[in-house]
Amino acid sequence: DGGITQSPKYLFRKEGQNVTLSCEQNLNHDAMYWYRQDPGQGLRLIYYSQIVNDFQKGDIAEGYSVSREKKESFPLTVTSAQKNPTAFYLCASRLDRDSRNQPQHFGDGTRLSIL
Amino acid sequence: RKEVEQDPGPFNVPEGATVAFNCTYSNSASQSFFWYRQDCRKEPKLLMSVYSSGNEDGRFTAQLNRASQYISLLIRDSKLSDSATYLCVVSQIYNFNKFYFGSGTKLNVKP
Repeated sequence: DGGITQSPKYLFRKEGQNVTLSCEQNLNHDAMYWYRQDPGQGLRLIYYSQIVNDFQKGDIAEGYSVSREKKESFPLTVTSAQKNPTAFYLCASRLDRDSRNQPQHFGDGTRLSIL
Repeated sequence: RKEVEQDPGPFNVPEGATVAFNCTYSNSASQSFFWYRQDCRKEPKLLMSVYSSGNEDGRFTAQLNRASQYISLLIRDSKLSDSATYLCVVSQIYNFNKFYFGSGTKLNVKP
């Protein structure tokens, strides 16, 4: 089955703990993204990567870190520095970083809560 | 000022009605435009891209007005299953790998 797989679906974090959200795609897409969505609000960009071993900060990168060691994987770590991590986290990918009109496609998300 | 703005709604319409949403964008360098649909507690799904000349996909029609910097989505013959939040998404010519999302317009279609 081709697509974008996020895991886990639900995640609970203790105070002071780092947690890592997984995002894997087998679509051979160049670009990958992480967004955060709070209840009743739009998506806010955390980080994005256009190519392996390169990534850029989005609008709300503080308290988060990413890596892009393989084309198909773009894990997001929510560090203890992120004081309000409770949100719905969405990973997306896009086929061709050099093409203007291609949309993003999303995984089905991870819900993170604080214990 | 937000890059992309949408009326949050909700728009409450009866089945069979025609409903239209607008979305305004602030940056004239905006180049690519999309409408996504998001059901409650689910991921956004691409509804349609928006092309300069306007485009139609079944009951859905999207239009772009560059002079006034807005895009629109028209839904004809609304179905109960159209109830969702509709997100407007924009990217810009100097970095078309970065996308800006509106907060969404909620549509409730009632029997």
